[in-house]
Amino acid sequence: QVQLQESAPGLVKPSDTLSLTCSVSGASLGGYFWTWIRQPPGKGLEWIGHIYYNGRTSNPSLSSRVTLSVDTSKNQFSLKLSSVTAADSAVYYCAKSYDSSGYRYGMDVWGQGTTVTVSS
Amino acid sequence: DIQMTQSPSSVSASVGDRVTITCRASQDVSNWLAWYQQKPGRAPKLLINSASRLQDGVPSRFSGSGSGTDFTLTITSLQPDDFATYYCQQANGFPITFGQGTRLDIK
Repeated sequence: QVQLQESAPGLVKPSDTLSLTCSVSGASLGGYFWTWIRQPPGKGLEWIGHIYYNGRTSNPSLSSRVTLSVDTSKNQFSLKLSSVTAADSAVYYCAKSYDSSGYRYGMDVWGQGTTVTVSS
Repeated sequence: DIQMTQSPSSVSASVGDRVTITCRASQDVSNWLAWYQQKPGRAPKLLINSASRLQDGVPSRFSGSGSGTDFTLTITSLQPDDFATYYCQQANGFPITFGQGTRLDIK
């Protein structure tokens, strides 16, 4: 059974860099796309970006502030979001692509989500 | 960016009812459309991919249809477990985008 677990500091100061890591168990990173999605309080879902196991990334929505990376030795992938503001406060989810043939078939395994608050 | 617009934004229904949620894309997304169910405090759950392919383990009362710009999610014979928020998501172009969500409440 594939499981994903986000880890991150809950509170980040404005203008700092938010760092999130997603640990994957029950599957290797190989062959799948690994995605970050966020959900501001009371709002809808926003796709941040995804990364393939070989390090190839998509065109993330927040591209100038986002860095995606993978660590196959640790079976983890990570998100860094720079220059955060209060607008970046949200529940952040990591997720796995359903199909190894591509990202277009949706995301079938999600982490439980981690709440990030940007505040001084 | 491809805009995804769901309607209605909220709907009230009773157990046993049939409900249809629509999702319209601002441009052609072929059949690269997924539907998710989300309950409060929980991560979304993938119900349907490729517009109409039901995920393993999802009850057959859920169905999806459409292609191009217009899609529907239909739930027949609503069950108590179905009351949740539903999102559509396109994966034909970057950035991948979601609809704003449809909240399904018990009447």
